[in-house]
Amino acid sequence: NAGVMQNPRHLVRRRGQEARLRCSPMKGHSHVYWYRQLPEEGLKFMVYLQKENIIDESGMPKERFSAEFPKEGPSILRIQQVVRGDSAAYFCASSPGTSGISEQFFGPGTRLTVL
Amino acid sequence: AQSVTQPDIHITVSEGASLELRCNYSYGATPYLFWYVQSPGQGLQLLLKYFSGDTLVQGIKGFEAEFKRSQSSFNLRKPSVHWSDAAEYFCAVGRTTSGTYKYIFGTGTRLKVLA
Repeated sequence: NAGVMQNPRHLVRRRGQEARLRCSPMKGHSHVYWYRQLPEEGLKFMVYLQKENIIDESGMPKERFSAEFPKEGPSILRIQQVVRGDSAAYFCASSPGTSGISEQFFGPGTRLTVL
Repeated sequence: AQSVTQPDIHITVSEGASLELRCNYSYGATPYLFWYVQSPGQGLQLLLKYFSGDTLVQGIKGFEAEFKRSQSSFNLRKPSVHWSDAAEYFCAVGRTTSGTYKYIFGTGTRLKVLA
């Protein structure tokens, strides 16, 4: 059973460009979470999605950031008009669609560098 | 507000020595607690978790953690550290509110192991 997959692993963008980060959850998992890790910091929750629904986006910056988890295909975290402060590691996690809190399985992350 | 504190940013121990990493949390309800390990450039791997029951939890790689409600702590321990344990360790509390689930992470403790 493949784990959580993220691509690309490394992404370089110039200021003002768009960044698209993809996450394929573990097989059978219908819940996806995105976290951001800034240098020398812990992970900060960004958004929690289920298929075709955003459940909690309380950690998402109000502008330029969006996320989706379509019925088919991976979850996408999109950052428009990137700035240097967006440079970070972005981790995706997934969990099964059971009630209550459960273990989240993390992908290897996408390391975004904004020049 | 819920929070997780890892008071030690860096810890250095000699190989074969015992290890204790501290974690304190602030959470009103019964917490769901986790310890993850992150090797350089990698994602997060779950070491152990506490949901309920026995307050001493055994995990992978010889790690254990003890939940102490009176001290709001969930410290991670290992009796004899191996060089391969050098990594960054994150404590997290799982929070559930109105059908949404997220993890709140501490800022991490970076472990260095001396040969």
